[in-house]
Amino acid sequence: KNEVEQSPQNLTAQEGEFITINCSYSVGISALHWLQQHPGGGIVSLFMLSSGKKKHGRLIATINIQEKHSSLHITASHPRDSAVYICAVRGRGGADGLTFGKGTHLIIQP
Amino acid sequence: SQTIHQWPATLVQPVGSPLSLECTVEGTSNPNLYWYRQAAGRGLQLLFYSVGIGQISSEVPQNLSASRPQDRQFILSSKKLLLSDSGFYLCAWSRSGNTIYFGEGSWLTVV
Repeated sequence: KNEVEQSPQNLTAQEGEFITINCSYSVGISALHWLQQHPGGGIVSLFMLSSGKKKHGRLIATINIQEKHSSLHITASHPRDSAVYICAVRGRGGADGLTFGKGTHLIIQP
Repeated sequence: SQTIHQWPATLVQPVGSPLSLECTVEGTSNPNLYWYRQAAGRGLQLLFYSVGIGQISSEVPQNLSASRPQDRQFILSSKKLLLSDSGFYLCAWSRSGNTIYFGEGSWLTVV
């Protein structure tokens, strides 16, 4: 069973700061997802990674397969980025569901 | 485009009452379907997944069951709710190896 650890659990920063959220997992995976959950509960998939790096707007996600580690970065953070960010991994079993980290609660203050 | 709908959005049910949450997917065929639960203060947990009609895999033993009567319909049920069933339930779909899409979620409070 994969163990997914995220850090930090809570993060408060000022608008404009560069944000980094980390995720590590214990067993080899086929893919890693970064998800964003808003206060109402809805979840949106930000990235799906199996290697390297992806960028979408101000968001950047990287993964190091050998080290079993991924990071999510937010550049020029904004109050609307405030949300819970969740790392989730998919095992090598294909259709199997995701194993989730407990999430990082991010607050960006104006 | 593909969409996923889940209902009801919120419900308050007494202990011992039945439960039915429904999820439908549009715009795709033969999706992998999932039910997840997020209990208060805890991370998301996979409850059930399905790779086809009538095919259900359960990840954790519990008071709940799932069914997939049609290709794009996934139902989460309980015959008798427990207090510990309270939480936020999410339906999701994906195609193998691709990104995952979540429904809007259902808040269940068992009283």
